[in-house]
Amino acid sequence: AQKITQTQPGMFVQEKEAVTLDCTYDTSDQSYGLFWYKQPSSGEMIFLIYQGSYDEQNATEGRYSLNFQKARKSANLVISASQLGDSAMYFCAMRRTLVRDSNYQLIWGAGTKLIIKP
Amino acid sequence: TAGITQAPTSQILAAGRSMTLRCTQDMRHNAMYWYRQDLGLGLRLIHYSNTAGTTGKGEVPDGYSVSRANTDDFPLTLASAVPSQTSVYFCASSGTTKGFYEQFFGPGTRLTVL
Repeated sequence: AQKITQTQPGMFVQEKEAVTLDCTYDTSDQSYGLFWYKQPSSGEMIFLIYQGSYDEQNATEGRYSLNFQKARKSANLVISASQLGDSAMYFCAMRRTLVRDSNYQLIWGAGTKLIIKP
Repeated sequence: TAGITQAPTSQILAAGRSMTLRCTQDMRHNAMYWYRQDLGLGLRLIHYSNTAGTTGKGEVPDGYSVSRANTDDFPLTLASAVPSQTSVYFCASSGTTKGFYEQFFGPGTRLTVL
């Protein structure tokens, strides 16, 4: 069965330090994509970064990078130079392609609550 | 650009009553989704729609129904609410803006069933 696992329910990190949020996935699809979303206390879901299974390079978006290790089936999010505004829930999700439906469903992890300490 | 709007923002509902959560998008996306978010469980897919006129069941469809009469609107109906349906409900749509299918989310509806 396809599954996303985020093993860190919560993390405390000192401001300005780098932080790695873990995500492992399980799939038998050859083509898939991995997403990270941020959910601040205000509740909205904010897209951060995407990695396709065939992408050669690790994705980067500003202070966010995705450490993609395909053989280990991991897609960890790295936030460099953390800021107080990074305090939020972070969700890892995997896109699967349903050949019959082609609706690109996402499978979600349970999330990691990140708190940045001043 | 509005993106996705949801109404109401929050609602308290008596058990046994029916309710429709509204969702409208202005991005002309074909695919739309309804999720519920419960503490510790992440997002779970309730129903989805690939295109206007079609719908499908997600992971937790029981007690919910949807319709997709046009591209923009995707209402979620609870026919007879139960306390276990207390949750935050997110509507989303899927489209490509950066070369991959990204899901865009509405602001959510917080529903409490008493």
